[in-house]
Amino acid sequence: ETGVTQSPTHLIKTRGQQVTLRCSSQSGHNTVSWYQQALGQGPQFIFQYYREEENGRGNFPPRFSGLQFPNYSSELNVNALELDDSALYLCASSIGSSYNSPLHFGNGTRLTVT
Amino acid sequence: AQSVTQPDIHITVSEGASLELRCNYSYGATPYLFWYVQSPGQGLQLLLKYFSGDTLVQGIKGFEAEFKRSQSSFNLRKPSVHWSDAAEYFCAVGSGANNLFFGTGTRLTVIP
Repeated sequence: ETGVTQSPTHLIKTRGQQVTLRCSSQSGHNTVSWYQQALGQGPQFIFQYYREEENGRGNFPPRFSGLQFPNYSSELNVNALELDDSALYLCASSIGSSYNSPLHFGNGTRLTVT
Repeated sequence: AQSVTQPDIHITVSEGASLELRCNYSYGATPYLFWYVQSPGQGLQLLLKYFSGDTLVQGIKGFEAEFKRSQSSFNLRKPSVHWSDAAEYFCAVGSGANNLFFGTGTRLTVIP
């Protein structure tokens, strides 16, 4: 089975621009969660998608938005990029939104905002 | 509000020595607790989890953790560390529908 894949692996953007990050969930997984990991910090929950609907959101502004597609892949969109958005963005997939289903993380997308 | 504290930012141990990484949590209800490991340039991998029942849980790669409600702790242990264990370790508490609240991590260095 293929694991969680994220693209691109690295990205450099300018302040004010928009960015789209992509995630392919593990086969059979219908839930995708996105986390932001700033340098030297633990991951912070952005939001979760379950069966194409947003199913929980962390303390992030509306310029962070997402989508989940019928094949359960997902996108994270960030508008009006700020310098503080520079981070590793992690996607994790699971079967359902229960804690009984462990999160399987991708290797992340490293976003640098200049 | 939930919080997770990992008081040790960086720990260095010799290969073959025992290891204990500390984690303290704050959560109003019965906590769901997790330990994840992150190698450089990689995503996070689940080592073990505690939901209920036996307070000593076994995980992968020879790791174990003990839940102590009275101390609000969930420390990770390994009897004999291998060089390949060098990584960043994150403790997390469940918050909401499968959302995890992570600590700031402990970086483990293993010396020969």
